Amino acid sequence: AQKITQTQPGMFVQEKEAVTLDCTYDTSDQSYGLFWYKQPSSGEMIFLIYQGSYDEQNATEGRYSLNFQKARKSANLVISASQLGDSAMYFCAMRETHTGGFKTIFGAGTRLFVKA
Amino acid sequence: NAGVTQTPKFQVLKTGQSMTLQCAQDMNHEYMSWYRQDPGMGLRLIHYSVGAGITDQGEVPNGYNVSRSTTEDFPLRLLSAAPSQTSVYFCASNRDRDVTGELFFGEGSRLTVL
Repeated sequence: AQKITQTQPGMFVQEKEAVTLDCTYDTSDQSYGLFWYKQPSSGEMIFLIYQGSYDEQNATEGRYSLNFQKARKSANLVISASQLGDSAMYFCAMRETHTGGFKTIFGAGTRLFVKA
Repeated sequence: NAGVTQTPKFQVLKTGQSMTLQCAQDMNHEYMSWYRQDPGMGLRLIHYSVGAGITDQGEVPNGYNVSRSTTEDFPLRLLSAAPSQTSVYFCASNRDRDVTGELFFGEGSRLTVL
């Protein structure tokens, strides 16, 4: 079963505008972590933001914020004031416990295009 | 300031050949993992390790073997390569033994199986 769902294969946003990238997840764990990563065309994976399942406040990191709605199991990434350099693939990920360890699983990603 | 180092960066194999993708980290992270990335499918977890001598399967373990003899190294072995294993492979490590802490990624290894 798909545990991380990103329903937007591609998104367009005008430069300087805000954009929301959707992510829903499925877990029966009470303790889990939610992450967003950026992958530019050069291919490297860049960590953007983290939200813990017990965190009451939405996480923010500069222009990135995570809209965490626990009851709906959603963890949407909001990018404010988009820049051309934000054009990239964005992956939502969840870290949860698994048979004595921890594993991080990813969604299929959303490709963001920022228009000048 | 090496972080996570993967070798080789590019490799072409013929069907049935074997090879090992190397991964080393110098951050003393206990947790290491291997992912494959295919178009439209995000990153899928192959195997992971929570410490030396301990490994476990991820989402797509078939066709791959791993071992963890030291904290620093986590090689991924393809015993008999198949075209379906053509992909970009990422090694990643994590400093925390809980659900917090981001993954630190290598630069990726692009593997083509003919």
